[in-house]
Amino acid sequence: EDQVTQSPEALRLQEGESSSLNCSYTVSGLRGLFWYRQDPGKGPEFLFTLYSAGEEKEKERLKATLTKKESFLHITAPKPEDSATYLCAVQSNSGGYQKVTFGTGTKLQVIP
Amino acid sequence: GAVVSQHPSWVICKSGTSVKIECRSLDFQATTMFWYRQFPKQSLMLMATSNEGSKATYEQGVEKDKFLINHASLTLSTLTVTSAHPEDSSFYICSARDRREKLFFGSGTQLSVL
Repeated sequence: EDQVTQSPEALRLQEGESSSLNCSYTVSGLRGLFWYRQDPGKGPEFLFTLYSAGEEKEKERLKATLTKKESFLHITAPKPEDSATYLCAVQSNSGGYQKVTFGTGTKLQVIP
Repeated sequence: GAVVSQHPSWVICKSGTSVKIECRSLDFQATTMFWYRQFPKQSLMLMATSNEGSKATYEQGVEKDKFLINHASLTLSTLTVTSAHPEDSSFYICSARDRREKLFFGSGTQLSVL
């Protein structure tokens, strides 16, 4: 059974204080790992897709990395507007059909 | 932990038929449920937001008469793809939000319309 675990569940940072969010996964036949950002009252906003171990992607203050067991979302010098819940999801091919498993998210709060 | 059950996991249907996908929150009451669609190698696209007992709010470009959403109870929402055509073939996924504003996702439904 595919599993995705995100840690920490919640994170509080001072503005400018860099940190990383973790997404550990167990999946058979990884097709892709996704990072999303979700603001209260809205649906998830797509950030990155990573397909293979060693891959990295960057967007503004965010950088996502992938290994065979986990992915990190690094936040460099965060700003208050980065406050949101960050979701990780893995897509696998199971029994001939695709399946997506989401983690429960990390709620990030950046304090001015 | 909270679980959202979505079924069927995959369905193949003939063009012109309707398909219903169910999304159930198994151990919590979902005040809001979301339906998404994913095209190959693309991210999830929010289709609609449904609140229990009220009409769904559809995103721009999503046909209301094509994708019927019913959220009759706090634990069940359904998406019916009416008169499905091959271009409706896609991966559909639901999510449910609990009273603490935490979001839980179903495992998705792969729809293939022949």
